[in-house]
Amino acid sequence: EVQLVESGGSLIQPGGSLRLSCAASGFTVSSNYMSWVRQAPGKGLEWVSVIYSGGSTYYADSVKGRFTISRDNSKNTLYLQMSSLRAEDTAVYYCARWDGYNTGFDYWGQGTLVTVSS
Amino acid sequence: EVVLTQSPATLSLSPGDGATLSCRASQSVSRYLAWYQQKPGQAPRLLIYDASYRATGIPARFSGSGSGTDFTLTISSLEPEDFAVYYCQQRSNWPPITFGQGTRLEIK
Repeated sequence: EVQLVESGGSLIQPGGSLRLSCAASGFTVSSNYMSWVRQAPGKGLEWVSVIYSGGSTYYADSVKGRFTISRDNSKNTLYLQMSSLRAEDTAVYYCARWDGYNTGFDYWGQGTLVTVSS
Repeated sequence: EVVLTQSPATLSLSPGDGATLSCRASQSVSRYLAWYQQKPGQAPRLLIYDASYRATGIPARFSGSGSGTDFTLTISSLEPEDFAVYYCQQRSNWPPITFGQGTRLEIK
């Protein structure tokens, strides 16, 4: 059974840093395109970042230079390192799997809440 | 960046009714479009991929159509569990991957 479990969300002050984790089971993270998608309270979905199976990474302009996506193949885990956090980064962060062929994220985690506030 | 515009913002219908949700792209995305359903407190669920293919386990009452810039999600006969927010998403010209702003399907 495919499962994605995020962790690491918390209340953090503006300018701070945080690392989110997404532990995968039932499939191999490094064989798929893995993304982070966020949702601000009461708002829609916003794509944040993707890491290809080959290791290439891409980011939304809103987080470029501040966030870094990575993975640990030995732990089958995806990460999002977030720095210089702003109030507008407050959101539930989801990790999601994309097989790289069909359009759509077919598996999602339950999400982890990041709140940026003083 | 491809902007996806969904309409209507809110759709009020009764169980048993048919529903038609629209997603329009600011430029052609070919058939690289997906639809999701999201219920309160839950992650999105993939319904339709590549414009018209139902994802695994999705009931046949959900169907997708369209190509280029105009897409439609149709729910043939609404069940009580179908009342939720629906999003479209494209991956044609990316990055960035973009989502529509959502259509809220509510009980009339």
